[in-house]
Amino acid sequence: QKEVEQNSGPLSVPEGAIASLNCTYSDRVSQSFFWYRQYSGKSPELIMSIYSNGDKEDGRFTAQLNKASQYVSLLIRDSQPSDSATYLCAVPLRTGNQFYFGTGTSLTVIP
Amino acid sequence: NAGVTQTPKFQVLKTGQSMTLQCAQDMNHNSMYWYRQDPGMGLRLIYYSASEGTTDKGEVPNGYNVSRLNKREFSLRLESAAPSQTSVYFCASRPGQGYEQYFGPGTRLTVT
Repeated sequence: QKEVEQNSGPLSVPEGAIASLNCTYSDRVSQSFFWYRQYSGKSPELIMSIYSNGDKEDGRFTAQLNKASQYVSLLIRDSQPSDSATYLCAVPLRTGNQFYFGTGTSLTVIP
Repeated sequence: NAGVTQTPKFQVLKTGQSMTLQCAQDMNHNSMYWYRQDPGMGLRLIYYSASEGTTDKGEVPNGYNVSRLNKREFSLRLESAAPSQTSVYFCASRPGQGYEQYFGPGTRLTVT
């Protein structure tokens, strides 16, 4: 089992819809979780971090964390064509210094 | 603040040549990282430096060496480049544990 797993997609949603991206992780003691967005040919940029069980909202983005199920998700409401990118889930190892990244989910928002 | 900078942006090497990728950050971060990104493989950690004066291997260290020159700079060296090292290389930095990483713009390396 990989440390961090994501559906690679591609995921296509119409403009204005909700996009749902999922990530599972293997290390039960992980404490922090991050979602990055990466446009083609660019570097990853942080869009959300979450540390506690439950939901965290920031504008059109909501991160959801369920530590018992070892599952973290990202919801994008009112999806826009500019949201078309690859979304990477990142989880630090228990040592706290190393990160594991999922392979990313490619999202396309269709106008 | 320039954030995390990387040089060069693009490089073409012949098999067996050596080169050093440079990374610098101006955010006074303690930890620095080198990743490679290949299609379908995601970001894989090559080496990291948790603090000035320390370096540790990541997931794919073979064929690479690193130097944490000071708190700002972390370089990645390929001693004898191989076609399998064709990739996009990202440097990242982080204030400390519990915080996110900030990425540089990347270096696209081709080894022929």
